[in-house]
Amino acid sequence: SQQGEEDPQALSIQEGENATMNCSYKTSINNLQWYRQNSGRGLVHLILIRSNEREKHSGRLRVTLDTSKKSSSLLITASRAADTASYFCATVYGGGADGLTFGKGTHLIIQP
Amino acid sequence: NAGVTQTPKFQVLKTGQSMTLQCAQDMNHEYMSWYRQDPGMGLRLIHYSVGAGITDQGEVPNGYNVSRSTTEDFPLRLLSAAPSQTSVYFCASKGPNQPQHFGDGTRLSIL
Repeated sequence: SQQGEEDPQALSIQEGENATMNCSYKTSINNLQWYRQNSGRGLVHLILIRSNEREKHSGRLRVTLDTSKKSSSLLITASRAADTASYFCATVYGGGADGLTFGKGTHLIIQP
Repeated sequence: NAGVTQTPKFQVLKTGQSMTLQCAQDMNHEYMSWYRQDPGMGLRLIHYSVGAGITDQGEVPNGYNVSRSTTEDFPLRLLSAAPSQTSVYFCASKGPNQPQHFGDGTRLSIL
């Protein structure tokens, strides 16, 4: 079964606005990762946040983690057309060494 | 540096046919894995390998076989394709304390 669930499933905003995506998960974690998938391509790693961290930044990305609520959020500031993609949260699959379990993703569309 | 290379990019099979999806990485990563992505679903782990000669099952292994004879290659075999195996397949590799690197996928249709 899938560990993470992203919300919303789809999000359409104007270029320049901020985009926020949320992820909820079920079991305890060591870390949570966010990936981006452009149409027809593989997933690209964006950022990893460890269970003892509450917030992490990377360029225009800000990730928060609330382990008490088993939730994380990804904020993309000053969105660009190139940010149009699907975004997935992932946690380590318990029975698969470094294998990951993914949510269903948020499809983000940036309107020019 | 090519990263993770998957071949073929597209394939159509008939039910019952067999096929091997190829995956190669040039980053000397010990860990490699296969996922499938179905519409409206996240990626699900099929099989993984922590090094040459070592493989193990993931979340959805039924109908698939793998082997790992070299560090670079991790092929995925469908012995008797079924329509339920229509999906996009992704191979990934990672090094210690690194994120996963994904290939661009193989789009497989089973008629």
